[in-house]
Amino acid sequence: GAVVSQHPSWVICKSGTSVKIECRSLDFQATTMFWYRQFPKQSLMLMATSNEGSKATYEQGVEKDKFLINHASLTLSTLTVTSAHPEDSSFYICSARDSLANYGYTFGSGTRLTVV
Amino acid sequence: GENVEQHPSTLSVQEGDSAVIKCTYSDSASNYFPWYKQELGKRPQLIIDIRSNVGEKKDQRIAVTLNKTAKHFSLHITETQPEDSAVYFCAASRGSGNTPLVFGKGTRLSVIA
Repeated sequence: GAVVSQHPSWVICKSGTSVKIECRSLDFQATTMFWYRQFPKQSLMLMATSNEGSKATYEQGVEKDKFLINHASLTLSTLTVTSAHPEDSSFYICSARDSLANYGYTFGSGTRLTVV
Repeated sequence: GENVEQHPSTLSVQEGDSAVIKCTYSDSASNYFPWYKQELGKRPQLIIDIRSNVGEKKDQRIAVTLNKTAKHFSLHITETQPEDSAVYFCAASRGSGNTPLVFGKGTRLSVIA
């Protein structure tokens, strides 16, 4: 079935630094990638929709200059958390739809970000 | 945009009993309704889904029902087992490729042996 590979699985960084998270679709082309954030004991909240070759669409309240999204190819989307702060510590997870799998959603394995 | 409400937020049942989790959605154009089980620190795992052209779907101990008119759908787990204990999320989306899933707030199910 469709696989989305997400890296890193966990990262610890210092306040003020930037962290890049990658999601790759391994066996299908993902023209659209969705990025979610999940705080402890909460639901998955959509941050942005990433479209290959065009600008991402951000949800209300998500700072596009802080969460940089790049979707330069049909198999790779990246999320960069810039100038990270402790409140950015969260579980970040990507998702894509596979048109060949009846449009089911496939999730990456998630990235646990801790900002110290 | 879509808004998905999920109840209850926590649910405790005795092993062998049934568990029911309910969700409502707001966007009448939504036509795909999956249910996920999530363990701590892991990706959501699809356990069952239903599309708006059917009213019920069953897979062994798990079933989902959909009422399009009322815009609500429910997850039914029968003969619950301790390993069913987890957080369950409902979600909804439209059918096009560039529309995201919108999740409910989740239900923490505890199955007591």
